[in-house]
Amino acid sequence: EAQVTQNPRYLITVTGKKLTVTCSQNMNHEYMSWYRQDPGLGLRQIYYSMNVEVTDKGDVPEGYKVSRKEKRNFPLILESPSPNQTSLYFCASSLVTGDSPLHFGNGTRLTVT
Amino acid sequence: EDKVVQSPLSLVVHEGDTVTLNCSYEVTNFRSLLWYKQEKKAPTFLFMLTSSGIEKKSGRLSSILDKKELFSILNITATQTGDSAVYLCALPGGGSTLGRLYFGRGTQLTVWP
Repeated sequence: EAQVTQNPRYLITVTGKKLTVTCSQNMNHEYMSWYRQDPGLGLRQIYYSMNVEVTDKGDVPEGYKVSRKEKRNFPLILESPSPNQTSLYFCASSLVTGDSPLHFGNGTRLTVT
Repeated sequence: EDKVVQSPLSLVVHEGDTVTLNCSYEVTNFRSLLWYKQEKKAPTFLFMLTSSGIEKKSGRLSSILDKKELFSILNITATQTGDSAVYLCALPGGGSTLGRLYFGRGTQLTVWP
């Protein structure tokens, strides 16, 4: 089954404790991206990748890192999480850059205390 | 400054009503406009529009793009409770913003029985 798999689904952590949210797709998509969704603000792009070893900043990259060492994986790293990073996170992929429908993962609800 | 503005932000109707959701945008190097539906989980793709004046249709949902006036509308006829969701409009960047994806804040549609 074609899918984008995000883990974990829920995560509660404390300020400053490094964490990684994994994202993997099995559709051989070139384009992958991360979003955060906050009430009233909609989906905001954090980082995106147009191909292996190519990543770039979206609207709200501060406090986040990503890597794209393999085509299928695009982890999101929070080196020192803070409470303002409490949010719902989505990973998504598409066949080509932005111009084809995104397939979303099921989301990760992160709480930083 | 929002590049994609959706209206209304919230809409409550009764089953059987027809609704029109709006998405206006300001994006250089227009490539396409995409609509997504988000129930209490990840967004799912509805339509992609690239050409002005050509209606896309899927059952009771339809959408059209006006590239001259820079907006799109999503129509839902004979609404059902299952149409209750947040409807998101998104535009990929082009040129120097290739890879960026701009979402509107969404329209929360509630359909009462």
